[in-house]
Amino acid sequence: EAQVTQNPRYLITVTGKKLTVTCSQNMNHEYMSWYRQDPGLGLRQIYYSMNVEVTDKGDVPEGYKVSRKEKRNFPLILESPSPNQTSLYFCASLHRYGQGLAGYNEQFFGPGTRLTVL
Amino acid sequence: RKEVEQDPGPFNVPEGATVAFNCTYSNSASQSFFWYRQDCRKEPKLLMSVYSSGNEDGRFTAQLNRASQYISLLIRDSKLSDSATYLCVVPRGVWNTDKLIFGTGTRLQVFP
Repeated sequence: EAQVTQNPRYLITVTGKKLTVTCSQNMNHEYMSWYRQDPGLGLRQIYYSMNVEVTDKGDVPEGYKVSRKEKRNFPLILESPSPNQTSLYFCASLHRYGQGLAGYNEQFFGPGTRLTVL
Repeated sequence: RKEVEQDPGPFNVPEGATVAFNCTYSNSASQSFFWYRQDCRKEPKLLMSVYSSGNEDGRFTAQLNRASQYISLLIRDSKLSDSATYLCVVPRGVWNTDKLIFGTGTRLQVFP
């Protein structure tokens, strides 16, 4: 089954304790990204990766790191979590259908990770 | 103007009703647009894409008005299972589909 998986699904931690949220996709997609979703703010992109070893900042990268050592995995790292990073996090990979005006992209999202930082 | 703006709702409609949501966007260069559906506490999933004047898929119709820079989603014959949040998604650039801007969503509640 084609899917994006994330782990853990739920995490409660304390300020300053480093954590990693893993993300893996089995669709051989080149493009992957991380989003956070907060009430009233919608989905905001944290980081994205266009391919192995190619990553770039999204709209809210502060306090986060990522790596893309292999195509299927795109972990999100919080070196020193703070309470303002309490949020619902989604990993996504992107597939391109067709080309030009006849084409479109579809984002496939993981199930989400609900993170609480105390 | 915000990059993508939606009425948060909720829209409360009875089964069988027709309901429409609008979404305005600021990037006049955008060529393709999307509606995603998100169930409570679940991941968003693509519902429809639109890159010309409109797109229809069963009970769902997405329309694009480039002059006024808005897209709409029309749902006919609403079902209980249509209850969800509908996210409007617009690329930040012309073909910059790597950066998708998500609206905050419009919540739909269909009641019996």
